[in-house]
Amino acid sequence: DVKVTQSSRYLVKRTGEKVFLECVQDMDHENMFWYRQDPGLGLRLIYFSYDVKMKEKGDIPEGYSVSREKKERFSLILESASTNQTSMYLCASSLPGPTTYEQYFGPGTRLTVT
Amino acid sequence: GENVEQHPSTLSVQEGDSAVIKCTYSDSASNYFPWYKQELGKRPQLIIDIRSNVGEKKDQRIAVTLNKTAKHFSLHITETQPEDSAVYFCAAASHTGGFKTIFGAGTRLFVKA
Repeated sequence: DVKVTQSSRYLVKRTGEKVFLECVQDMDHENMFWYRQDPGLGLRLIYFSYDVKMKEKGDIPEGYSVSREKKERFSLILESASTNQTSMYLCASSLPGPTTYEQYFGPGTRLTVT
Repeated sequence: GENVEQHPSTLSVQEGDSAVIKCTYSDSASNYFPWYKQELGKRPQLIIDIRSNVGEKKDQRIAVTLNKTAKHFSLHITETQPEDSAVYFCAAASHTGGFKTIFGAGTRLFVKA
């Protein structure tokens, strides 16, 4: 059973703070993703990674960076948190295919920036 | 950039009726089209997917159709039940370039008993 965990379910940070969101998967998946989920906007891709130390920008990378030093761990970094980054953040992982491309999601981190 | 449009944003049906959700995509390189269901307070989970070499796929009460020429794909749920109430997301992806996946904005489905 695939397990994707995120370091926090709820997080409250102040404007300007540096924020780290951690994601760990235990199924040896090559691909990992970070999304933010906002009402009416669905899931928007921030960054993804298809291998250790590899990263690709998604649709909304501004204000974020990522780190993938180990295959099982993908970190999202908010360099200087702002109120418009208040959101639900979801991490996901998947195999590279071709048998399956299913993404397995973590439980989410609800981040509030005050 | 690539985008996926999803309609309607909200759908309310009577139990036993059918529900249809439609999506269009812009990236002609997309070749994989999954649908995810997200129940309230839970994480999204894959319910069905279709690849570009197939026009239709069915799994019990749910089916997905794909029209690559028109860049349209749809989710059909028959004999809806209250437990089908959730937010449904379509997505389009290409297994080139690291498998970037673009999601639609979601459809909130209400099934009234």
